[in-house]
Amino acid sequence: EIVLTQSPGTLSLSPGERATLSCRASQSVSSSFLAWYQQNPGQAPRLLIYGASSRATGIPDRFSGSGSGTDFTLTISRLEPEDFAVYYCQHYGSSPPKYTFGQGTKLEIK
Amino acid sequence: QVQLVESGGGVVQPGRSLRLSCAASGFTLSDYGAHWVRQTPGKGLEWVAVISYDGSNKYYADSVKGRFTISRDNSKNTVYLQMVSLRAEDTAVYHCARGGLGSGWDYDAFDIWGQGTMVTVSS
Repeated sequence: EIVLTQSPGTLSLSPGERATLSCRASQSVSSSFLAWYQQNPGQAPRLLIYGASSRATGIPDRFSGSGSGTDFTLTISRLEPEDFAVYYCQHYGSSPPKYTFGQGTKLEIK
Repeated sequence: QVQLVESGGGVVQPGRSLRLSCAASGFTLSDYGAHWVRQTPGKGLEWVAVISYDGSNKYYADSVKGRFTISRDNSKNTVYLQMVSLRAEDTAVYHCARGGLGSGWDYDAFDIWGQGTMVTVSS
């Protein structure tokens, strides 16, 4: 079973700074099946990135995803106030179907 | 407006049952796979179950296998989660989410999510 470990647990930054969030898989996964989600308090998760690097519809280009194998990264180039939230990575596309989430990274205002 | 709306949550005693519903609007849910994902208060996301677009395939997390059943009524654009033998550890917000389109029902990220419905299992 694939385990996704996100780091850091909490990231404290200021608006305008660059954020780099990490997601490490316990075994190599296809980058075609790695996604990132954003969740604000009291709201549903929102898909940001799928296929490790493709932005979902309506997602600003300050969000980018990269990585392969066991190491994946979500980068937010210049933080806006609305970006301070919890971010989750997810692996999907296994057979039989199983969907694994990381434990999340909280991005907070410094 | 494309959205999913869950209902049916509440407070239930251990060992009892509950059925959740997820109604879609703004798109044809029967074209897509559909998932249930739960989130415990202050904790992370746990995938629970998936159903194919036509209802012919269903898969479950080990933690709920044998106790939860996912189903769908495509005439009503609705997906369900029947939960029996509920335990305290099933307490969570339950979200439904849209999966992949057609034959790719199980090989896609979750692009539409509902706000969730709270299930509390307590005596």
